[in-house]
Amino acid sequence: ETGVTQSPTHLIKTRGQQVTLRCSSQSGHNTVSWYQQALGQGPQFIFQYYREEENGRGNFPPRFSGLQFPNYSSELNVNALELDDSALYLCASSPDLQRGGETQYFGPGTRLLVL
Amino acid sequence: ELKVEQNPLFLSMQEGKNYTIYCNYSTTSDRLYWYRQDPGKSLESLFVLLSNGAVKQEGRLMASLDTKARLSTLHITAAVHDLSATYFCAVDPNNAGNMLTFGGGTRLMVKP
Repeated sequence: ETGVTQSPTHLIKTRGQQVTLRCSSQSGHNTVSWYQQALGQGPQFIFQYYREEENGRGNFPPRFSGLQFPNYSSELNVNALELDDSALYLCASSPDLQRGGETQYFGPGTRLLVL
Repeated sequence: ELKVEQNPLFLSMQEGKNYTIYCNYSTTSDRLYWYRQDPGKSLESLFVLLSNGAVKQEGRLMASLDTKARLSTLHITAAVHDLSATYFCAVDPNNAGNMLTFGGGTRLMVKP
């Protein structure tokens, strides 16, 4: 059973650019959540996808958008990058939400630096 | 707005000592999670607490949940250097939604 994988591992962009981060969920998991973790802080929930639909969203502007594909992999897109977007972006997958209370398994993260 | 507060934020302790990390949260929830993060690494799941009074133990770590007090504790027994890491608690305000709100973390350093 493969774990959660993310790509790329590191990325440097300039202000105003756009970025796409990718996540492959753990085998058998149909729920993917994305989190942003600024340096020295706890992760903040961005949004969640369940069976290819956005299932919930945190307090992030619309320039943060996402997709989930039929194989349950996912993308996080950020437009018009700002300096404050520099952070570790974590993807987490979990089994079917209907089961309730399942733990999430986090990927290794993508470290984004915006200059 | 849900708030999750951990204390202490930083904890330096000697090997062999006991200590407790506290996690308070501001909304009703029956689901609380503890994670560990090593520097530069991702989050590792430690405990999932799903009901009032839940207690789970793994090695030198024991976690408990009091949903009425909106409090969870992570107790460390006879600390060893390998436990040095940052520990996060997280609350699922939607109960089974897995849209977690994390605390700010407790950075633990265990000195030999």
